[in-house]
Amino acid sequence: SQQGEEDPQALSIQEGENATMNCSYKTSINNLQWYRQNSGRGLVHLILIRSNEREKHSGRLRVTLDTSKKSSSLLITASRAADTASYFCATDADKQAGTALIFGKGTTLSVSS
Amino acid sequence: EAQVTQNPRYLITVTGKKLTVTCSQNMNHEYMSWYRQDPGLGLRQIYYSMNVEVTDKGDVPEGYKVSRKEKRNFPLILESPSPNQTSLYFCASSSVTGTGVSPLHFGNGTRLTVT
Repeated sequence: SQQGEEDPQALSIQEGENATMNCSYKTSINNLQWYRQNSGRGLVHLILIRSNEREKHSGRLRVTLDTSKKSSSLLITASRAADTASYFCATDADKQAGTALIFGKGTTLSVSS
Repeated sequence: EAQVTQNPRYLITVTGKKLTVTCSQNMNHEYMSWYRQDPGLGLRQIYYSMNVEVTDKGDVPEGYKVSRKEKRNFPLILESPSPNQTSLYFCASSSVTGTGVSPLHFGNGTRLTVT
């Protein structure tokens, strides 16, 4: 089935550095979403980017979308220890609303102080 | 407070003993979904529902049932649980627009162990 695949699987950085995570998917989409999950907890929505958008910002987060390459990236600037979490991209298919939202396997980010 | 409530948070049961995990949302969302999360496999969708009385299979529906008799509730039923259903389960909901699924609101999860 259609699925976003995040890269890298794991990322370790120091506080203050930037973290970049990538997501690739297989079929055309309506939108792509990024979520964060703290260990064992429910996912929290971070940002949604529509298929006709190329870049979106929210605080220290910057998301880009390249529909020609079927890929997206999430950049966290000036990372903090509190950013330590798993990050997932999720996509829905470019069909009528009513399609499942499919998640990738996630990138585990570790930010050390 | 807008929320998705799952119960129970933790459940230990034995093979074959029917169980239900409840999910309720107070945001009048049309879309509700169940996911299971396993190490190395990420989140996989079990079932989803676009509205009352409308449900569809996700990627891993075998061994599960759902119902959507009311808009706010979307219970997950395991008629005869097996050890391979040991997992962390999440319920989620969102509104639906003409341009796809809106951001999902997740419950806090149910950690199920089947012995």
